[in-house]
Amino acid sequence: DAGITQSPRHKVTETGTPVTLRCHQTENHRYMYWYRQDPGHGLRLIHYSYGVKDTDKGEVSDGYSVSRSKTEDFLLTLESATSSQTSVYFCAISEEGKFRNEQFFGPGTRLTVL
Amino acid sequence: GENVEQHPSTLSVQEGDSAVIKCTYSDSASNYFPWYKQELGKRPQLIIDIRSNVGEKKDQRIAVTLNKTAKHFSLHITETQPEDSAVYFCAAGPRGSEKLVFGKGTKLTVNP
Repeated sequence: DAGITQSPRHKVTETGTPVTLRCHQTENHRYMYWYRQDPGHGLRLIHYSYGVKDTDKGEVSDGYSVSRSKTEDFLLTLESATSSQTSVYFCAISEEGKFRNEQFFGPGTRLTVL
Repeated sequence: GENVEQHPSTLSVQEGDSAVIKCTYSDSASNYFPWYKQELGKRPQLIIDIRSNVGEKKDQRIAVTLNKTAKHFSLHITETQPEDSAVYFCAAGPRGSEKLVFGKGTKLTVNP
């Protein structure tokens, strides 16, 4: 597996609380992505980053923000968690160049919002 | 934007049979088509991919075919084994983009 870790791996929180998920890579890849995975919906892109401090929205970005202050870390923040954000969150990375859409996934974070 | 449809959503086969999963895409500019396998509780793993300059690619028991005219691509698994049981996702990557759009997945069950 590519050098990607996610933390925490599991989290239970209450509605209205802020939550931050971390994705860390040791591959020095330029591109990083956050997806959520829900039954019947596959993998949906939340936000992605194309460099330090460079981020853009995906198809399901409402309620989420991201930050990337260094190459190896990409943070996903739920400012005020809601039950609809209960999901499994995957980070992915890809390198620069002609293979930049070959994405490799982290182990995932299971988030439960009560 | 790109839209990827994947069929069937579930597939059950007997060990040793072949399995075929099909995907269609909407954006004719897409030129990269990967397939991921996700075992229960694990991360999606890239198992094979194809770019639009080829029509078929094989890797041991798995193969992917691409029909650019019809805008569809398929995953073929031959001589299926119980360890092939997993959820398989197709995706499409638009030309010039690092993003992928995923299908909703196919749960493959291989019965011993």
